Amino acid sequence: QVQLVQSGAEVKRPGASVTISCVTSGFTFTNHYLHWVRQAHGQGPEWVGRIHPSGGHTYYAGTFRGRVTVTRDTSTSTVHMELRSLTSEDTAIYYCATQINRWGSCGGDCYPLDHWGQGTPVTVSS
Amino acid sequence: QSALTQAASVTGSPGQSIIISCNGTNNDVGAYNFVSWYQQHPGRAPRLIIYDVNSRPSGVSSRFSGSKSGNTASLAISGLQAEDEAEYYCSSFARSGTPSVFGTGTQVTVL
Repeated sequence: QVQLVQSGAEVKRPGASVTISCVTSGFTFTNHYLHWVRQAHGQGPEWVGRIHPSGGHTYYAGTFRGRVTVTRDTSTSTVHMELRSLTSEDTAIYYCATQINRWGSCGGDCYPLDHWGQGTPVTVSS
Repeated sequence: QSALTQAASVTGSPGQSIIISCNGTNNDVGAYNFVSWYQQHPGRAPRLIIYDVNSRPSGVSSRFSGSKSGNTASLAISGLQAEDEAEYYCSSFARSGTPSVFGTGTQVTVL
């Protein structure tokens, strides 16, 4: 079955960087976009960015552009997200997610997200 | 890209029907029929329950239905059950190219 297993909780100081991993299995890694979504406590989700593992092409939300990098390792079916220059506002749960069933007609990277990782809490505090 | 706006909470009794609204703009909800809804229980990842405004993935109860009028999307839950108590988020593709702009969330409480 499809699984997305994320790395464990992180605690960082302001100004530091964090890298979160998402190990996938149960589907053809290079056929599906992998997205990163974060959710601060008590807030709605916020889309961060995505990668297509086949060619490594990325696209990021404007809010994060220049501060986030998403990469993939096709040999281990793993996606990584690095977020730099952390502030307390980056404290959130970070999820990786994908679009296995490609529900609907949106196409490309905008199919709805139907499989999610368990989430990685990131705390930024001095 | 601003978040879509939802009411903070909706309450209903078992067996009742409720409607959750999601207000966007003509750059997202109003521009495309690519509205999705997610259900999230505490401590869990979001779960897709509606896509393309009014379609359900396999395995999702027919008690969930979606609609859209102008810049506002809606999720209806009929025959409310205790297990429906959760946070619900809308999401839309946006003209900016952002594949998922999410709503602020609505907490559904079943009395």
